[in-house]
Parts: sequence; structure tokens; C-alpha cells
Amino acid sequence: NAGVTQTPKFQVLKTGQSMTLQCAQDMNHNSMYWYRQDPGMGLRLIYYSASEGTTDKGEVPNGYNVSRLNKREFSLRLESAAPSQTSVYFCASSEALSSEAGTYEQYFGPGTRLTVT
Amino acid sequence: AQTVTQSQPEMSVQEAETVTLSCTYDTSESDYYLFWYKQPPSRQMILVIRQEAYKQQNATENRFSVNFQKAAKSFSLKISDSQLGDAAMYFCAYRRQDDKIIFGKGTRLHILP
Repeated sequence: NAGVTQTPKFQVLKTGQSMTLQCAQDMNHNSMYWYRQDPGMGLRLIYYSASEGTTDKGEVPNGYNVSRLNKREFSLRLESAAPSQTSVYFCASSEALSSEAGTYEQYFGPGTRLTVT
Repeated sequence: AQTVTQSQPEMSVQEAETVTLSCTYDTSESDYYLFWYKQPPSRQMILVIRQEAYKQQNATENRFSVNFQKAAKSFSLKISDSQLGDAAMYFCAYRRQDDKIIFGKGTRLHILP
């Protein structure tokens, strides 16, 4: 099992450029998440998807869009990158509470370091 | 809105000593889950311990234990016999019934040899 994979690992963008961060999990989890991590701010939730076909805003959704392509994949898109979006981005997955089984812990990908100049 | 507060941005502890990291949260739910995660310099997020709110017994995992005070909305992590490998960022996290998971800002733990 690969767990949660993210691509790319590093990316440099110019202001105004767009890009999509890809995330996939092979654990058959219903719930998937996108976070950004900035120094002194912890992990802030951007968007999450409690199940295939649903997405919901987190704490800092502005400037981002997501797509839950299928049960395995959850992508994050920056339509017009800004320097304020320079951050480390983490994707995570877990069983949904509705599954009534499991530990409900999150499994994280290795992160993507994004720099916007 | 749910919030998770870690009031100690940094802490230091002598090797082999005990340290407690604090976490408080705000919620109107009666059933939920709480977690502590560790993030070493590798950046990988590692689950340390979890607690189910409906269980009164405090969770323990080897040298790691929690003090869960539901009425006070407090969820502190105690690390006993601290080791150099425990040096990391520690994050407290709260999971709501709608599967939304919120993290605190973290506590950086230094282990002094």
C-alpha cells in the first residue's frame, strides 16, 4: 500500500499562474482533506470531502477550488496563484465516522512545498 | 465555530523527564474525537494518540498519555521519560461529527540532553 500520495513535491509558480495539486489514497477511505501549513499557524483546513461527490469549505478556502474525482482522488486547484499562497500543502484521508468502524485517524501525504513569486 | 487552542508555542524538557502539552477546544457537540499528532523535521505527520469523547478513561500509548477533561474541554498530552526522538512539533486535533477536522497551531518540543 502506498497510503496517501501527493504530486508534485515541490513547485514554483509566478503570480497569476494556475496549477493543480494531485492527491490519491489507496485505503478505500471516504473522507479526504486539504490543509496548508504556515509557520506559527499550524495546519489550516482548506477544503474537505466527507464522501465521494461532496466537498465542503474549511477555514481558508478563498483562492482555491477542489474536485473529488472519485473515491481515491481529491485535487486542489489554484486558479490564479498569489504570493500569500506560498505554503506547504498536505492532503490527508480517513475513514468517515459514518463507517462506524476503524480508528478515524488521518493519514497524511508527504506534502507539497509551493512557492509563489 | 469549533476552535482548538494550544497555548504553548514552544516547550523544553530534560531528557528522561516528563512534560505536559496543553490543548483546549471549543465545541457544542457531545460526541467527537480528539487526536495528538507529531511532526518531526521530516514533515511527516504521525499519530501519537486518540481519544473518543464518550469514553471517560484516558487513552495511553506506551510513554504517551492524555488527561481528557470533557467538561473543561481540555485534552493535554503527557510524555514520560522524554527521549531525543520526541523532539518535534505536536498538534492537537478535533474531529467533528460531520468529519471536519481542525488542528491547533502546534507546540514545538525541544529535548535537552
